Amino acid sequence: GQNIDQPTEMTATEGAIVQINCTYQTSGFNGLFWYQQHAGEAPTFLSYNVLDGLEEKGRFSSFLSRSKGYSYLLLKELQMKDSASYLCAVSPGNTGGFKTIFGAGTRLFVKA
Amino acid sequence: KAGVTQTPRYLIKTRGQQVTLSCSPISGHRSVSWYQQTPGQGLQFLFEYFSETQRNKGNFPGRFSGRQFSNSRSEMNVSTLELGDSALYLCASSLDIGSYEQYFGPGTRLTVT
Repeated sequence: GQNIDQPTEMTATEGAIVQINCTYQTSGFNGLFWYQQHAGEAPTFLSYNVLDGLEEKGRFSSFLSRSKGYSYLLLKELQMKDSASYLCAVSPGNTGGFKTIFGAGTRLFVKA
Repeated sequence: KAGVTQTPRYLIKTRGQQVTLSCSPISGHRSVSWYQQTPGQGLQFLFEYFSETQRNKGNFPGRFSGRQFSNSRSEMNVSTLELGDSALYLCASSLDIGSYEQYFGPGTRLTVT
């Protein structure tokens, strides 16, 4: 079957670093996405990994290991506004499109 | 450049009725995807349209349907509404079928009573 697992909740302190893990089991793999979703708002795109390794984009970095079915999102220099849900999503198979499977999301609380 | 727009933003319907939701993608974007988001199931893929053709479909019953027009605007329809259809319906657009960066609209909050 298709399955994406990520922790339900995490808490971290302002200014710190937090790593949100995601493991997946899907039939085929096109790429892995990370989205940020603030309460009551639509998800916003953070990153997309196709190849193994680390992709850095400002305070946010995303890592992928295809052989392990594993990814993480790293948030540095945490700010209060980073309190949100972080969604891991996989585009499986060779559909050439976005038949995307989403994880349930990790709710991150940033405290002062 | 305007973002993805969805109408209506909120909707209350009764069981058994049908509903049509509308999505206008970002200008120039040709791919539109629809998702259902509920607290229990999270974000689930409904379908994706490109050039007026459905390219991918999620695991939803036939009561859920959609279409895309020549100007890339898209509509989704849910017939014979059930209480479990209460959800936030999100539309996302991307430049092309091979483009990975999707932009989500604000969603339509559907409540079925």
